[in-house]
Amino acid sequence: DAEITQSPRHKITETGRQVTLACHQTWNHNNMFWYRQDLGHGLRLIHYSYGVQDTNKGEVSDGYSVSRSNTEDLPLTLESAASSQTSVYFCASSPEGGSTDTQYFGPGTRLTVL
Amino acid sequence: QKEVEQDPGPLSVPEGAIVSLNCTYSNSAFQYFMWYRQYSRKGPELLMYTYSSGNKEDGRFTAQVDKSSKYISLFIRDSQPSDSATYLCATASGGSYIPTFGRGTSLIVHP
Repeated sequence: DAEITQSPRHKITETGRQVTLACHQTWNHNNMFWYRQDLGHGLRLIHYSYGVQDTNKGEVSDGYSVSRSNTEDLPLTLESAASSQTSVYFCASSPEGGSTDTQYFGPGTRLTVL
Repeated sequence: QKEVEQDPGPLSVPEGAIVSLNCTYSNSAFQYFMWYRQYSRKGPELLMYTYSSGNKEDGRFTAQVDKSSKYISLFIRDSQPSDSATYLCATASGGSYIPTFGRGTSLIVHP
């Protein structure tokens, strides 16, 4: 069955370290998204991509970067982790031309920055 | 003001009750309306999807959209403890593939 996976599921890191969170989907979806979810804020869009070599900033992109070298993967990199980036991170994907704007989410990565 | 407002709850109901979850939105361009269910420590999963105004029913779940008042509702009949989760509403104008999410309402159904 097609799916979307994230790794690692849990990560503890130190302030200032570079961290990369992986996202892999087997639906062959063109669109991929990264969100963070925090109490009181709900889901906030970090970065998104409409296809290979395409990346765009979301509402909370500072301190994060993404790259899209193939259809299946959209890794999220925290350049220099900060305590404010402690959060749960969700990757999502959606098909181009499908039920518009409905997204399919991964299981999440719980990141703690000490 | 967020574009999509949703009471965070928690909403606690007894098993078998009819549950009403609601959202309001401000952007009249929104045409697509979704409800996601998120269990604790899991990713959101699409529960219901509707286009424009009206009702949509799927088993015990009914989604209702009133575009004139910019009001979205999700009704759950015969609620079960397994319905305990956070419910997120989402809206979109279409084309960008980026929905606007509410903050979610926590629902607890106790036996």
